Amino acid sequence: GAGVSQTPSNKVTEKGKYVELRCDPISGHTALYWYRQSLGQGPEFLIYFQGTGAADDSGLPNDRFFAVRPEGSVSTLKIQRTERGDSAVYLCASSLTSGYNEQFFGPGTRLTVL
Amino acid sequence: GNSVTQMEGPVTLSEEAFLTINCTYTATGYPSLFWYVQYPGEGLQLLLKATKADDKGSNKGFEATYRKETTSFHLEKGSVQVSDSAVYFCALPAGTETSGSRLTFGEGTQLTVNP
Repeated sequence: GAGVSQTPSNKVTEKGKYVELRCDPISGHTALYWYRQSLGQGPEFLIYFQGTGAADDSGLPNDRFFAVRPEGSVSTLKIQRTERGDSAVYLCASSLTSGYNEQFFGPGTRLTVL
Repeated sequence: GNSVTQMEGPVTLSEEAFLTINCTYTATGYPSLFWYVQYPGEGLQLLLKATKADDKGSNKGFEATYRKETTSFHLEKGSVQVSDSAVYFCALPAGTETSGSRLTFGEGTQLTVNP
């Protein structure tokens, strides 16, 4: 079956612009996670959805970052007033449920802020 | 919260050499432990996992044993191949099983295997 997909695969934007990153989880997976991976580092947690609600957004760095999952499947990560420090690979993962279940990762969106 | 410390890389080996990548953890309770792999140009993939103390996870010739006495989950392979060249991440859930289990990752170890 289809895995987790993310679009776009690459996004180049200018400082101060608004961007949206999309994640399509595996069908039927109720838990969805966003992580950010900087060069040479492991992924860092941003936000977790269980169904439509954000169950844990403690990893969002500031209020420029926001994510939604209105119908409990596709999720969009939104970044306002982008800064050069936001440049990273943004990873999405899904799992069947929450708890100690395997997370399946998408290929990521590489965001570059000029 | 839970955390993981992974050996610093990069690691360069010749084909058929023995591989060890060290990982130690700090955790409340006994959460599942994971090794993820990231091949060049690809997304993170689960390589293996162990769900309780003394469990051994294995896949593709890789093994790791969940050792609570040394709080370790070292990754080993007896004979590496060029195709094993990738970045390897040790990971564990950051919280409790009821808190969504976002993962905490180590910094990753770049493995390069030369023919």
